[in-house]
Amino acid sequence: QQQVKQSPQSLIVQKGGISIINCAYENTAFDYFPWYQQFPGKGPALLIAIRPDVSEKKEGRFTISFNKSAKQFSLHIMDSQPGDSATYFCAASANYGGSQGNLIFGKGTKLSVKP
Amino acid sequence: DAGVIQSPRHEVTEMGQEVTLRCKPISGHDYLFWYRQTMMRGLELLIYFNNNVPIDDSGMPEDRFSAKMPNASFSTLKIQPSEPRDSAVYFCASSLVAGTGRNSPLHFGNGTRLTVT
Repeated sequence: QQQVKQSPQSLIVQKGGISIINCAYENTAFDYFPWYQQFPGKGPALLIAIRPDVSEKKEGRFTISFNKSAKQFSLHIMDSQPGDSATYFCAASANYGGSQGNLIFGKGTKLSVKP
Repeated sequence: DAGVIQSPRHEVTEMGQEVTLRCKPISGHDYLFWYRQTMMRGLELLIYFNNNVPIDDSGMPEDRFSAKMPNASFSTLKIQPSEPRDSAVYFCASSLVAGTGRNSPLHFGNGTRLTVT
């Protein structure tokens, strides 16, 4: 129940296309859903995050869509660029009675954007 | 700020040897985390500290693993004895007071790639 399931494992998109990565969870206590971006040889870095009180959050070309009833959330990258080629991790955490829960990460999606 | 600094970047050792990984968190960050990354299991939380005190070590795979944080600016993860299945990239991360990414993001170092032969 603590898992966050991420798909696809890898994704190839043409420059200018839309990249879509999906995540699903079971734990209804999760209430914070960030996405991290990792370039080769680097550690992950926070890209964008959402809380379940909104269904969508947009920052530039990056959008998180959140479906609370389906317990799913997704990352959309519009006008994908070769510089977006990286591994993307979704994650989730819960607030247990004021106690901060740990971030649970998905297994990652390796995105390649072809010129 | 230089960010989270980990050393060494690469470590190659033989089975049975002791391995020590090092981390310097971002100054002022009260939370420090050790993660392990593998293709099979993704990013796994091993242990985290708050104000130098270990809070949750339930992710530490077995007694061969130990972590310490003697002061606010330094932490170590030790594996003794090391085994080939410990081969992975080990990340250290830190965050501000609220911790666990909730109200402040995790700042990761660039990792230590460990290979145990």
